[in-house]
Parts: sequence; structure tokens; C-alpha cells
Amino acid sequence: QKEVEQDPGPLSVPEGAIVSLNCTYSNSAFQYFMWYRQYSRKGPELLMYTYSSGNKEDGRFTAQVDKSSKYISLFIRDSQPSDSATYLCAMSGGGNNNDMRFGAGTRLTVKP
Amino acid sequence: ETGVTQTPRHLVMGMTNKKSLKCEQHLGHNAMYWYKQSAKKPLELMFVYSLEERVENNSVPSRFSPECPNSSHLFLHLHTLQPEDSALYLCASSQSQGAGIHGYTFGSGTRLTVV
Repeated sequence: QKEVEQDPGPLSVPEGAIVSLNCTYSNSAFQYFMWYRQYSRKGPELLMYTYSSGNKEDGRFTAQVDKSSKYISLFIRDSQPSDSATYLCAMSGGGNNNDMRFGAGTRLTVKP
Repeated sequence: ETGVTQTPRHLVMGMTNKKSLKCEQHLGHNAMYWYKQSAKKPLELMFVYSLEERVENNSVPSRFSPECPNSSHLFLHLHTLQPEDSALYLCASSQSQGAGIHGYTFGSGTRLTVV
């Protein structure tokens, strides 16, 4: 079983749709959960982070963590063509050990 | 210039060539990383440097050789690569080793093709 599972897609939605991106994981020691956005020909950039379980909202983006189910989600409301990118989930236990693990990334296209 | 800068952006090399990838960060971070990104696979951690000392070598073949002359610069020396080494090589930095809640700052990567 992979430590982090993420459906690579591709996912295509019309502009204005609500997008749901998800990851599951197996390591119960993970406490910090992140979403990175990677545009074509660019490196990943940190989009959102959450600690432990719960929700976090930032504009059109909402990150959810359910540690009991080992499941994290990123929701994008009112999706825009500029949201077209690959979204990578990442998680770590914190501290100074190099235990950051990434999902494979989901490629999202928002069509005008 | 700010952020993490990687050069070259693209590199095509033969299996017998020797080349180097360069990474420079202007963020005052103390940890730097090399990652390999292949299509539809998770990022693979290759090397970690903290305060210019290598703290992790993630079972990477010896044809990849990192160098960190100071806290702002990181190199990846390549020699006798294989076609399966073709990938996007990403450099990242973080305030301290392990990133924690702050995450990493990535460069734009070097797209490497081995022919």
C-alpha cells in the first residue's frame, strides 16, 4: 500500500463548478497536511496547509482533514480557468525528520 | 531576485555526458532538497542538506552526486545517466530541515532528457 494515494485524473470541469480533490494516507503519524498547486512548466507552490483534523478556508479554497479516516480534501468553489493546474497533496509528521510525503498529483482543467 | 532559481530549465544529455544542475535560493533558508518528479508518480526525495551538511541520501544511485558549497547554493552533478533518469528535477528549500507546517519553496525545475 502506498503511503499517500491520490487519483492522477485528469479531471475536467466547466468554469464555475465546484471541484473536489482528495488524498488518502496510511501513516497515522502525519499531522501536517498541505496542498500544492503546480502550473505547467513550474515548480509546486504551497496553496494551503492544515494541522490535524478540521477545516480551513481561504477565499474559494477549503481544505478538510479527517484523521480518523486518513482522508484529506481540497474544495475549489466557483472554479476558474486559471485554476487549471496539477494539485499535489503532501503531509508530514512535523519536527525535523524528513518524512514529507507527496501524492502523485491530480491534473485539473477548468474549461471556459 | 527572490525565491528558488534553477538552471538550466531544460537539458538534453547523452548517457556518457557529464552535466550539472544548479539551484540557488535567496530566502535565507537553512535546508535544501533535491526531488525527482516523474509523470504520474509522487515526488521522490533524493537528497537533503541542512546547514550545508548532507543529512539524507535516499538510496540514490551514485551517478547522481550532490554538492552544497554554502547555504544558498545546491548542485546536482550527473554522469553516465540512463534513459529512465529522464524526469523533472526539482530543488526546494525550507526554513529548517523537515519543513513542518511551513512547507517547501520549490524552484521551477530542470527538465532532463537522457538520450
